Amino acid sequence: AQSVTQLGSHVSVSEGALVLLRCNYSSSVPPYLFWYVQYPNQGLQLLLKYTSAATLVKGINGFEAEFKKSETSFHLTKPSAHMSDAAEYFCAVRFTSGTYKYIFGTGTRLKVLA
Amino acid sequence: NAGVTQTPKFQVLKTGQSMTLQCAQDMNHEYMSWYRQDPGMGLRLIHYSVGAGITDQGEVPNGYNVSRSTTEDFPLRLLSAAPSQTSVYFCASSYSRGALDGYTFGSGTRLTVV
Repeated sequence: AQSVTQLGSHVSVSEGALVLLRCNYSSSVPPYLFWYVQYPNQGLQLLLKYTSAATLVKGINGFEAEFKKSETSFHLTKPSAHMSDAAEYFCAVRFTSGTYKYIFGTGTRLKVLA
Repeated sequence: NAGVTQTPKFQVLKTGQSMTLQCAQDMNHEYMSWYRQDPGMGLRLIHYSVGAGITDQGEVPNGYNVSRSTTEDFPLRLLSAAPSQTSVYFCASSYSRGALDGYTFGSGTRLTVV
């Protein structure tokens, strides 16, 4: 079945440390992949997207993600966390076969410790 | 600023009451949708529209109605509110259903049904 999974509903990192948020998908055909960020009391905002061009995608606020077909993953990273990165992050998948659905993961709340 | 505007931001309803959540966009997007966000469940699609006069059901449509008389507006109606409809509701739009540029989200309506 086509699905998207975010491992870890809560992640804590120290300020200045590496941020790694995990996203895996299940699909026989590589989908399009997106990361969104949601700050408190706001809507979701697109961070970056993979639509079958370069596998390493750079987004806003220093975030990047790498599409790995062999691992069916699209993990989000940032080399050095900042306090302002504290938010909830959602991976989203737009399948390119079967149902062609666009679905969101359950979200990962990132906490940045001073 | 161009974008998606949702009103109201907060609402408390009594069980059995009805209300309409408003959503308007000024980006000439053909595709509009309504999601509800509940803790640990990500975003779930309620209804969507691919253009004026065309609507369809999403994943969790029961208890909700929509209509799309203009490109700009896509209101969501709760017919008879129930406590299970307590949630945060987001309206999102894009140029097309495929949303390869990602969705633009409103800032949400926080609804409590007592």
